[in-house]
Amino acid sequence: GQQVMQIPQYQHVQEGEDFTTYCNSSTTLSNIQWYKQRPGGHPVFLIQLVKSGEVKKQKRLTFQFGEAKKNSSLHITATQTTDVGTYFCAGPDDMRFGAGTRLTVKP
Amino acid sequence: KAGVTQTPRYLIKTRGQQVTLSCSPISGHRSVSWYQQTPGQGLQFLFEYFSETQRNKGNFPGRFSGRQFSNSRSEMNVSTLELGDSALYLCASSLRGTTNEKLFFGSGTQLSVL
Repeated sequence: GQQVMQIPQYQHVQEGEDFTTYCNSSTTLSNIQWYKQRPGGHPVFLIQLVKSGEVKKQKRLTFQFGEAKKNSSLHITATQTTDVGTYFCAGPDDMRFGAGTRLTVKP
Repeated sequence: KAGVTQTPRYLIKTRGQQVTLSCSPISGHRSVSWYQQTPGQGLQFLFEYFSETQRNKGNFPGRFSGRQFSNSRSEMNVSTLELGDSALYLCASSLRGTTNEKLFFGSGTQLSVL
């Protein structure tokens, strides 16, 4: 099945800095989902992108789906300590999940 | 609505033993997927069940098996445990398991193999 590659694996930022994680696929994706897993917790669905070039915002989080539907990104503006966790992108296949980007935020 | 329930929350076993994990999906959800999560390895897909049938299987050895009951509850079994099986095992449910549905995860079972 198709798999998605996610970078970076880790990101440490100072509170207030921006953060971006990228997700790439070698094949066209019908959709892509993003999940967040807090330390000690379980993945929680954030959003789904379906359309080419789609951009969705949730407060300080901006999600983009590439024009070719082969890549996606999650950008967090002015990170807060509550943003700490691992962010996963997930393609539509059962093998869907990227390796995740673990975000730590220094107060 | 109650969320996805996984039991037990923690489990300690020794090499060679077998273990059974349980997952109760959200009411009305008929698809249950299982994932293995180890530090730095992300979520590795094990298998997916829908209406008591395994629809897809990941790249895990035959020691990993599962089943689903008529009430959509699912169990996962690992036989002849190895040290490398130590991981967080997560199950996720969705209505029909179609590719555009979001997954609802349980809190997981943390398995330690000594």
